[in-house]
Amino acid sequence: NAGVTQTPKFQVLKTGQSMTLQCAQDMNHEYMSWYRQDPGMGLRLIHYSVGAGITDQGEVPNGYNVSRSTTEDFPLRLLSAAPSQTSVYFCASSTDRAVRDEQFFGPGTRLTVL
Amino acid sequence: LAKTTQPISMDSYEGQEVNITCSHNNIATNDYITWYQQFPSQGPRFIIQGYKTKVTNEVASLFIPADRKSSTLSLPRVSLSDTAVYYCLMSNTGKLIFGQGTTLQVKP
Repeated sequence: NAGVTQTPKFQVLKTGQSMTLQCAQDMNHEYMSWYRQDPGMGLRLIHYSVGAGITDQGEVPNGYNVSRSTTEDFPLRLLSAAPSQTSVYFCASSTDRAVRDEQFFGPGTRLTVL
Repeated sequence: LAKTTQPISMDSYEGQEVNITCSHNNIATNDYITWYQQFPSQGPRFIIQGYKTKVTNEVASLFIPADRKSSTLSLPRVSLSDTAVYYCLMSNTGKLIFGQGTTLQVKP
């Protein structure tokens, strides 16, 4: 198993550009989520999904869109990038919809918005 | 959502036992207590989870008193490689809230 994979590892955008951060897992996990981590801070939940076709907002959803058309993939879209979205983005997955079980995190995508 | 409070930082020396306490006064009946470890430039990694009393695995122990308003992560005989940020979370619904965590610095 590859676990949770994220692409790209690094990305630089200009203000106003759009892009999609990719996240995939091969563990047949129902629960997937996106976090952002700013320097010296803990992770903040952006969006999450408890299964294909179901998504919901986390703490900081503004400026981000998600969809979950398959169990494996959970892309995060930035429609119009802003410097405030400069951060490290982590995707995670878990077997349990209630997230009582262990979450497996990807290696992260480091995004810089100029 | 239940909020957790833990020390911002702790220092220790190699070979010592380290105890990190997390306060969660508003823990709900269905909440589990979960600890994660994060190294620089990596995603968090699950360490241990419990509901009440004591849980032990090959990495750590978790002590939870009867009122469940706090929990203590115990790392036996730490090494330099245990230098990391440790997060205490409540797990129940789809939303997990990470606080700032505790930065543990292990010195030689």
